[in-house]
Amino acid sequence: QAVVTQEPSLTVSPGGTVTLTCGSSTGAVTSGHYPYWFQQKPGQAPRTLIYDTSNKHSWTPARFSGSLLGGKAALTLSGAQPEDEADYYCLFSYSGARVFGGGTKLTVL
Amino acid sequence: QVQLVQSGSEVKKPGASVKVSCKASGYTFTSYGITWVRQAPGQGLEWMGWISAYKGNTNYAQKLQGRVTMTTDRSTSTAYMELRSLRSDDTAVYYCAGGSRGDGYWGQGTLVTVSS
Repeated sequence: QAVVTQEPSLTVSPGGTVTLTCGSSTGAVTSGHYPYWFQQKPGQAPRTLIYDTSNKHSWTPARFSGSLLGGKAALTLSGAQPEDEADYYCLFSYSGARVFGGGTKLTVL
Repeated sequence: QVQLVQSGSEVKKPGASVKVSCKASGYTFTSYGITWVRQAPGQGLEWMGWISAYKGNTNYAQKLQGRVTMTTDRSTSTAYMELRSLRSDDTAVYYCAGGSRGDGYWGQGTLVTVSS
């Protein structure tokens, strides 16, 4: 099974910009991996932010954007807010089967 | 509004089975599939599988093949996930997700505890 790798933790200053990435053990990430990004706060169910690389849901704040960057999937947060402090997970598709990354703990400090 | 409402917490003994339900409302059930995800205490998310609410075809995580079965009941707009031969490391919160393109909606989660 493929392994999806995320930064274990990142810190961003309020109002700052940070990019979270997800790499695949099988090689470069492409749109064919249909990358998803999820946000999870303590004690809550995950929330889907981004699907199919860069598509947002109606509730996804405009400051979040998804892309492919340097062979990885990327989630960029521009103008971080205190409420963005959370765990973030990516999810890739491998011919139908899907694999989560290990998650990134984002601290806004 | 779209809602996915899951069944309540369960406590099971090792070797038993559990069946978690996920009742959908607020959209046409057969328009989107249902994904199942679990999260062990203090751990990350684990993709368990997906079922088409229209055709019933499934795709399961390799590590759960043979122990998991996902089904749907279109008459009640409910999806089910059954996990058999439970072990202590199956203790987790189980989530369903779906309801839109891009799995936009999540159930509240169902805690399954496996303990002797």
